[in-house]
Amino acid sequence: GEDVEQSLFLSVREGDSSVINCTYTDSSSTYLYWYKQEPGAGLQLLTYIFSNMDMKQDQRLTVLLNKKDKHLSLRIADTQTGDSAIYFCAESGRWGKLQFGAGTQVVVTP
Amino acid sequence: EAQVTQNPRYLITVTGKKLTVTCSQNMNHEYMSWYRQDPGLGLRQIYYSMNVEVTDKGDVPEGYKVSRKEKRNFPLILESPSPNQTSLYFCASTGSLNNEQFFGPGTRLTVL
Repeated sequence: GEDVEQSLFLSVREGDSSVINCTYTDSSSTYLYWYKQEPGAGLQLLTYIFSNMDMKQDQRLTVLLNKKDKHLSLRIADTQTGDSAIYFCAESGRWGKLQFGAGTQVVVTP
Repeated sequence: EAQVTQNPRYLITVTGKKLTVTCSQNMNHEYMSWYRQDPGLGLRQIYYSMNVEVTDKGDVPEGYKVSRKEKRNFPLILESPSPNQTSLYFCASTGSLNNEQFFGPGTRLTVL
């Protein structure tokens, strides 16, 4: 999606932290999401953040939102091999129409 | 179990042969949509429906039709498929809470 941009690839060592970045353009977005797609599978909602929040933490996941810069990031602490997947950033307006980024392929190496 | 189902999961067909991909959800959601996923482009919305008999075009509707005769079902119809419709298709439905979208498992379509 041209309105949501992500880097396409990230390589990280097992045990390190991963940070996936995303920029979006629609300042009226109500929610911002991170989805995970494992090979051959559908999309799984990992976490989301409401647009009036700056940060959300959920176990190993930390989402940071800089609304001024329209920048969203996902940090995965203690990255494991099972975290290897494609991660999609998405923004949502009313009634859940989602605008997706192209996805970031995360590869976790031993 | 709350879920979105799609059928078939895999389909290989030829240009011009009409096909339908079914989608069904058991969560009583009002809003449903279809996306296609292509490398480097992420997911793009094809059509969406806000309720029974209410459908509208998404970002890439050309070559597709949908219908919403019942709340639970939202089939995607390709009247005359072409090779540029070779893609991975996802159906999704949305509940009212935080607009979380529940995705089906995907249908991989190849048009020869």
